[in-house]
Amino acid sequence: SQTIHQWPATLVQPVGSPLSLECTVEGTSNPNLYWYRQAAGRGLQLLFYSVGIGQISSEVPQNLSASRPQDRQFILSSKKLLLSDSGFYLCAWSVRGQSSYNSPLHFGNGTRLTVT
Amino acid sequence: GENVEQHPSTLSVQEGDSAVIKCTYSDSASNYFPWYKQELGKGPQLIIDIRSNVGEKKDQRIAVTLNKTAKHFSLHITETQPEDSAVYFCAASSNDYKLSFGAGTTVTVRA
Repeated sequence: SQTIHQWPATLVQPVGSPLSLECTVEGTSNPNLYWYRQAAGRGLQLLFYSVGIGQISSEVPQNLSASRPQDRQFILSSKKLLLSDSGFYLCAWSVRGQSSYNSPLHFGNGTRLTVT
Repeated sequence: GENVEQHPSTLSVQEGDSAVIKCTYSDSASNYFPWYKQELGKGPQLIIDIRSNVGEKKDQRIAVTLNKTAKHFSLHITETQPEDSAVYFCAASSNDYKLSFGAGTTVTVRA
């Protein structure tokens, strides 16, 4: 069966510090990968998605970037965190080559980021 | 882009009663409508979905209805139980790689 891992589960970082959140998927090959952010009391905002190694699409201009160094690894980064970067970050995967019409998203358990 | 609105934002029901959450979407090309349940401290989990070629789908105590003409869809939970307490999200997609989510509904089932 497929599993998705995110770490760390919680993170407290000062303003201006760098960020690296990692996500890996097991039990499937060539998945589509996604980063979402969930602000308190709000829905899920798509930040980045990737349909293959090195292929990253950005949905929202921001202080963050994403990379996919390996097929089942997705990394969310920032060079300098802002207070507004605080939130709950979720990684997700779906079956590659299929749009969301055919393959639902499967989410990890998220990382709670607090920027102080 | 797609805009999904979800109501109500909070819902409190007595155990055993029904709960209904409603969503509207803006893009008439949307054809996939999943619902996710998020428990505290966890990621959202898919509980049911419906595609535009059907008007209703049921899975035990959960059902979803879709009205494409009016561009709205609803989640119905019958015989609610304490374990149904969670945040529920609706979403819509127009056959690309992106899901647009509603803001969520916090459901509390009172014993």
